[in-house]
Amino acid sequence: EAGVAQSPRYKIIEKRQSVAFWCNPISGHATLYWYQQILGQGPKLLIQFQNNGVVDDSQLPKDRFSAERLKGVDSTLKIQPAKLEDSAVYLCASSYSGRYTDTQYFGPGTRLTVL
Amino acid sequence: SQQGEEDPQALSIQEGENATMNCSYKTSINNLQWYRQNSGRGLVHLILIRSNEREKHSGRLRVTLDTSKKSSSLLITASRAADTASYFCATDAAGGGSNYKLTFGKGTLLTVNP
Repeated sequence: EAGVAQSPRYKIIEKRQSVAFWCNPISGHATLYWYQQILGQGPKLLIQFQNNGVVDDSQLPKDRFSAERLKGVDSTLKIQPAKLEDSAVYLCASSYSGRYTDTQYFGPGTRLTVL
Repeated sequence: SQQGEEDPQALSIQEGENATMNCSYKTSINNLQWYRQNSGRGLVHLILIRSNEREKHSGRLRVTLDTSKKSSSLLITASRAADTASYFCATDAAGGGSNYKLTFGKGTLLTVNP
């Protein structure tokens, strides 16, 4: 079974520029998550989709971050404009149904450096 | 905010020894999960223990949960160099319904020396 795919793996940009990350979840998984992991900390949930609808985006900085999940499959996360504090690894995860007994499967992440 | 707090922040042991990591949390949970993260394989789910369970085993892993103390421990027996990684506990909020959200701690960095 193919895992969660993410691209790019690494991205370096200057502050105030924009950047986009892509995620392809495991086939058949209804729930997709985007996490931000700052160095030395655990992942923090940014947004959760159930199919193509947003379930939770309470920790998403909506003035600069946006995300969409097209047709309930792939998803993109965008930052515009980026700030220095956005430097982090952005992890995408998926689970079968989003129930509390489900396992979340994580992609390799995109490491973003903002200069 | 991060609900789970792992202890210690870092742990260094010799191959063959056992490693114990602890996690404390603040609010009632449905279940608690442990994840491992290393540069090679990313973040990987290890084990899930439900709030009505006290102990669970998976291979060389043993997890305990004490809901009265709001704490959990992860024991790795007969450690190997390949166990070198960061270990995170993740909790959900009890009664979350369909909006199930995991909150991760800051992790314990385990180094297993050959």
